[in-house]
Amino acid sequence: AQKITQTQPGMFVQEKEAVTLDCTYDTSDPSYGLFWYKQPSSGEMIFLIYQGSYDQQNATEGRYSLNFQKARKSANLVISASQLGDSAMYFCAMGNSSGSARQLTFGSGTQLTVLP
Amino acid sequence: DTEVTQTPKHLVMGMTNKKSLKCEQHMGHRAMYWYKQKAKKPPELMFVYSYEKLSINESVPSRFSPECPNSSLLNLHLHALQPEDSALYLCASSHSIQGAQSYEQYFGPGTRLTVT
Repeated sequence: AQKITQTQPGMFVQEKEAVTLDCTYDTSDPSYGLFWYKQPSSGEMIFLIYQGSYDQQNATEGRYSLNFQKARKSANLVISASQLGDSAMYFCAMGNSSGSARQLTFGSGTQLTVLP
Repeated sequence: DTEVTQTPKHLVMGMTNKKSLKCEQHMGHRAMYWYKQKAKKPPELMFVYSYEKLSINESVPSRFSPECPNSSLLNLHLHALQPEDSALYLCASSHSIQGAQSYEQYFGPGTRLTVT
């Protein structure tokens, strides 16, 4: 069985500073994917970044980077230069294959608030 | 274009009503998903369609009936719902396994359902 753990229910960060959101995972599959999604109060889940289990380098997408430490089973999201619009719920998720579709297992989420 | 659309945005229905939620994507994805999300919780998977066939049903009550008329459309038919079914219903789509390197799921904005 797969499990995703996010231990920070809420985080605060000052505008323009960097923030790290923690995510640890557990799986026995050698092949898996790790995802981060942002959910503003409007409700839409926005895909941010993806890391494959065999990727040698940490994934980056603009201000988002994923600090992937395979031995520690952690996949922390780093947001650089925080903006007020970054205030949202952030979900870490793990993907595995099921037949010809993909299934995601989500963590409990971290509510990020960016302070002016 | 990474857009998934959902209609309606909001729906209020009585326990004896029949209604449908609609989801559409034009990204050529062959896997589509329905999720249910309660406030401050992660999304819970309900159904997965792969190549227009029901691939996964996560023990969802029969008052929820999914339908995939073609590769771009996904419906969720609702009948005799209970107040505890009030939630945000999210649709998502992704590439299927065959031949795709990336498999992130793209979500629609959701339908906020209230059952009275």
